[in-house]
Amino acid sequence: SQKIEQNSEALNIQEGKTATLTCNYTNYSPAYLQWYRQDPGRGPVFLLLIRENEKEKRKERLKVTFDTTLKQSLFHITASQPADSATYLCALGHAGNMLTFGGGTRLMVKP
Amino acid sequence: DVKVTQSSRYLVKRTGEKVFLECVQDMDHENMFWYRQDPGLGLRLIYFSYDVKMKEKGDIPEGYSVSREKKERFSLILESASTNQTSMYLCASSHQREGYNEQFFGPGTRLTVL
Repeated sequence: SQKIEQNSEALNIQEGKTATLTCNYTNYSPAYLQWYRQDPGRGPVFLLLIRENEKEKRKERLKVTFDTTLKQSLFHITASQPADSATYLCALGHAGNMLTFGGGTRLMVKP
Repeated sequence: DVKVTQSSRYLVKRTGEKVFLECVQDMDHENMFWYRQDPGLGLRLIYFSYDVKMKEKGDIPEGYSVSREKKERFSLILESASTNQTSMYLCASSHQREGYNEQFFGPGTRLTVL
C-alpha cells in the first residue's frame, strides 16, 4: 500500500542552524511534491512545489530536493529562526489534483 | 488576500445529531476538499469536489456526505454524529491546473461529539 513517512518526533535545533526535514514515500510515483507549514490550531499553508523532473527548488531561506530514485524529499530551512517553529507537512501530488499528506514533522527552533 | 473560511472554529455536538460544516472560498477555485486531521494519522481526505454538484469519495468517506450547490461553497454533513468523528476538520480549495494546484486551507473546525 502507499505510504508517506515523515519523522514523527520533533526536531529541535538552535537558532541560526539549518533545519533538515525528511519525507520518504513508498509505492508512489508522484508527479510532484509539495511542502506546507502548519501552526497550532490553524490550517496548513503552502510553501513550495517541486516536480518529478526537478532536483532542487529554492525560495528565500527554503530549499527542497526531490530524489525519485531514493523516493525521498528533503526540506531545508537555512539560518533558522524561532518564528520557523511549526509543523511541516509534505504532500505527494498525483492525477486528478489530489494530494496525499504525510503526518508532518514538528520543528522547534530555540533562541 | 485569498481566503477560505469555515463556519465555526469550535463545535460541540451530541451523538446522533446531524452536523453541517460549511466552507466558502473567494478565489473562484474549481476544486474543493474536506479533510480530517487526527494526531498520528495526519490529514486524511474525506471528499473532493471538482465542480458544482460533482463529488468524489476520498480515503475515509464513511459516515459523511457533501454538498456543492454553488462554486464557492462546499458543505460537509455528518448524518448521525458519532464520538469517533471527534476531530479537526479542514476545508481546502485549489485551481484545476494539473501539477500547479497548491491547496489553500481554511482555519479548521474542531468538532467534539459527546
